[in-house]
Amino acid sequence: DAKTTQPPSMDCAEGRAANLPCNHSTISGNEYVYWYRQIHSQGPQYIIHGLKNNETNEMASLIITEDRKSSTLILPHATLRDTAVYYCIVRGIRNSGNTPLVFGKGTRLSVIA
Amino acid sequence: NAGVTQTPKFRVLKTGQSMTLLCAQDMNHEYMYWYRQDPGMGLRLIHYSVGEGTTAKGEVPDGYNVSRLKKQNFLLGLESAAPSQTSVYFCASNPRGFQGNGELFFGEGSRLTVL
Repeated sequence: DAKTTQPPSMDCAEGRAANLPCNHSTISGNEYVYWYRQIHSQGPQYIIHGLKNNETNEMASLIITEDRKSSTLILPHATLRDTAVYYCIVRGIRNSGNTPLVFGKGTRLSVIA
Repeated sequence: NAGVTQTPKFRVLKTGQSMTLLCAQDMNHEYMYWYRQDPGMGLRLIHYSVGEGTTAKGEVPDGYNVSRLKKQNFLLGLESAAPSQTSVYFCASNPRGFQGNGELFFGEGSRLTVL
């Protein structure tokens, strides 16, 4: 699976948008971009995923560049409860079998009141 | 619907002791995984299974064994515990292919301390 690069930490003011970048320059055609987050010592929580189109759900938006070499996770109105470590992962998904999720160190987002 | 359940949640071992962590899922998922997480680090994949009776090594398999005798259960064993295996262990599962968006469902974690 392709490797990802994320900044180790970011701060965001409460109520503002949090934009978390991720570089995945070696992503291949059948690999999806997944985002998870881990709040304190809980198990990671799925946020969103995409292949090449921008995606939005009730938690966040995912913007993938046209060349698919980078993406940005957007939390439109960050709250204190969004303070967590955010992981960007690329992963192959196909009906013949999925590759395991391989986590990096992620980005520690601190939302500040 | 309990999702992914890990037992025990806490355990203290002495060096050289053995133990087994149990992961159970009630979602009929084909794939199951064991990860470990050390302080300040991301999750690292130990072993995983793509179906009943099958297992495969992940990034850090040494010192661990696994078994998947039943589809709903994935066991992680430590034959001779070492202090370096002090960690929080997470189990996860997901269905095959594109079902459920490929989302992984995680347990709450098992905190293991080896003295």
